[in-house]
Amino acid sequence: EVQLVQSGAEVKKPGESLRISCKGSGYSFTSYWISWVRQMPGKGLEWLGRIDPSDSHTNYSPSFQGHVTISADKSISTAYLQWSSLKASDTAMYYCARLNRGTWEILSWGQGTLVTVSS
Amino acid sequence: SYELTQPPSVSVSPGQTASITCSGDKLGDKYASWYQQKPGQSPVLVIFQDSKRPSGIPERFSGSNSGNTATLTISGTQAMDEADYYCQAWDSSTGVFGGGTKLTVL
Repeated sequence: EVQLVQSGAEVKKPGESLRISCKGSGYSFTSYWISWVRQMPGKGLEWLGRIDPSDSHTNYSPSFQGHVTISADKSISTAYLQWSSLKASDTAMYYCARLNRGTWEILSWGQGTLVTVSS
Repeated sequence: SYELTQPPSVSVSPGQTASITCSGDKLGDKYASWYQQKPGQSPVLVIFQDSKRPSGIPERFSGSNSGNTATLTISGTQAMDEADYYCQAWDSSTGVFGGGTKLTVL
């Protein structure tokens, strides 16, 4: 069974750093790109960026470039999303998603990681 | 930056046909995908490459894409189809989602 299992909910203060993870199983991790998607409370889906786990090549949304970093460790089939300095406006659910290489539809999603940033 | 526009809400009676549109500049030149999200759940792919259905998605879900508009059609809508629906396309290497449409079955 194909699965993307994300790390647990986080509560952080503004200015703190954070890295959340997404572990793939049941498929060849390096054969599919991983995207990260944000959903702020009560709002729609926003695309942050994507990574090719085979070589760690990344693409970012212009809206998020420079504020988040996407990385991957293919040896443990895990992708990451990280912040160096969180803001209250980063409070959201974050999903990782597996992309079909070439046509780029999202084939499967993780369960989501809720990040709460509050002083 | 590229934008996709969806109506915020669509209402439909059970058994009737629901149509949800997604508009973007020359969207017909790109592939459109559609995702269904129910409260408290992760999204699910219901249409990809404009009109293809993943395995396990009922035949009542169909899609089209031409000109500036992609359309998700749900025939014989059921109560279980009540959800938020998002279109998505790619502008070069950047993914873009529409704002989402809340489908109400009443």
